[in-house]
Amino acid sequence: QKEVEQDPGPLSVPEGAIVSLNCTYSNSAFQYFMWYRQYSRKGPELLMYTYSSGNKEDGRFTAQVDKSSKYISLFIRDSQPSDSATYLCAMSVAGNQFYFGTGTSLTVIP
Amino acid sequence: DTAVSQTPKYLVTQMGNDKSIKCEQNLGHDTMYWYKQDSKKFLKIMFSYNNKELIINETVPNRFSPKSPDKAHLNLHINSLELGDSAVYFCASSHRQDTTDTQYFGPGTRLTVL
Repeated sequence: QKEVEQDPGPLSVPEGAIVSLNCTYSNSAFQYFMWYRQYSRKGPELLMYTYSSGNKEDGRFTAQVDKSSKYISLFIRDSQPSDSATYLCAMSVAGNQFYFGTGTSLTVIP
Repeated sequence: DTAVSQTPKYLVTQMGNDKSIKCEQNLGHDTMYWYKQDSKKFLKIMFSYNNKELIINETVPNRFSPKSPDKAHLNLHINSLELGDSAVYFCASSHRQDTTDTQYFGPGTRLTVL
């Protein structure tokens, strides 16, 4: 079983839709949870970072962590064509070794 | 200014060759990493260096050897390249290894082994 599971998609939504991206994990010791965005042929860039359980909001993006269910989510409100990218979740026990999901490919259609 | 840079951007080579990929960061970070991203977009850590010391060495073949001449550079040398080495290799850096500091990625080097 992989440490981190993520549905690869692809996910296609109309502009303005609310997007929900999810990851599950097996290691209950994970405490640091991150979402990266990766445009085609580019390196991943950090989008959101949360520690332990709870929600974090940044503009149109909201990250949620449910440690009891070992489940994390990224919501994108009012999605834009520029949000079209692959979204990778990542998590870590102590902020050092990061385990990445396989990424979900998102396309926002104008 | 580019924070994390890699060269070359593309590398096409024959099986059995030896090649190197260079990485430099100008962020003043203490820790640098190499990741391999396969065709299915799975990103897996290969190595990390903290103050010139190898601190993580995942189960990668010993044909891969990281070399860090100084804190700002972490190069990846690959001997006897194999078809399965074809992937995108990302360099990354973070402020420290044992904190929650985030990692900043380079643009990637797309390696194709023929």
